[in-house]
Amino acid sequence: AQKVTQAQTEISVVEKEDVTLDCVYETRDTTYYLFWYKQPPSGELVFLIRRNSFDEQNEISGRYSWNFQKSTSSFNFTITASQVVDSAVYFCALSGGAGTYKYIFGTGTRLKVLA
Amino acid sequence: GAVVSQHPSWVICKSGTSVKIECRSLDFQATTMFWYRQFPKQSLMLMATSNEGSKATYEQGVEKDKFLINHASLTLSTLTVTSAHPEDSSFYICSARYQSSYNSPLHFGNGTRLTVT
Repeated sequence: AQKVTQAQTEISVVEKEDVTLDCVYETRDTTYYLFWYKQPPSGELVFLIRRNSFDEQNEISGRYSWNFQKSTSSFNFTITASQVVDSAVYFCALSGGAGTYKYIFGTGTRLKVLA
Repeated sequence: GAVVSQHPSWVICKSGTSVKIECRSLDFQATTMFWYRQFPKQSLMLMATSNEGSKATYEQGVEKDKFLINHASLTLSTLTVTSAHPEDSSFYICSARYQSSYNSPLHFGNGTRLTVT
């Protein structure tokens, strides 16, 4: 069975602090894809990143960075120098291998960045 | 690119009435669209997979007669909540893949907040 766990329900940080959002997944597929989405208060889901199971290179995009470790089945997301606009719910999702189109979402982590 | 438009953004209806929600892929064709439901402060739960030109595939526990899905064209899928009741109040979100491959990210509509009084 596939599962995505985001153990942190809610995190509060002060602006300019760094924050890491954890994501742990379970799957028996050898090929799979991991995603992060941001859901601001307005409700829409914004795609942030996709990572396939064969690419363990970490990625950095501006203040965002992602750490993928297959050994621990984790795909963590770090925001550096957080800003108030980063306040949102962040979802980690898993999509299975060939022929599997469904996403399994984690329960989300609500990030509050305080000014 | 890869814009998904959902309409309406919010709707309030009386118990017993039906509500239709539209999901359109504006700049790409989507043979498959997905409908999710999200309760307050909870995750997204997949309701059904909408397939163009064929019947939708519903997840276990989702009443197909209550949540009617029609995918009449490659750019439009509709979800109709029939005989709505207060417990159907929720945030409904549609999504579609820009490309047909399974590793292509989903692009989501802005969601529809349904309130049944």
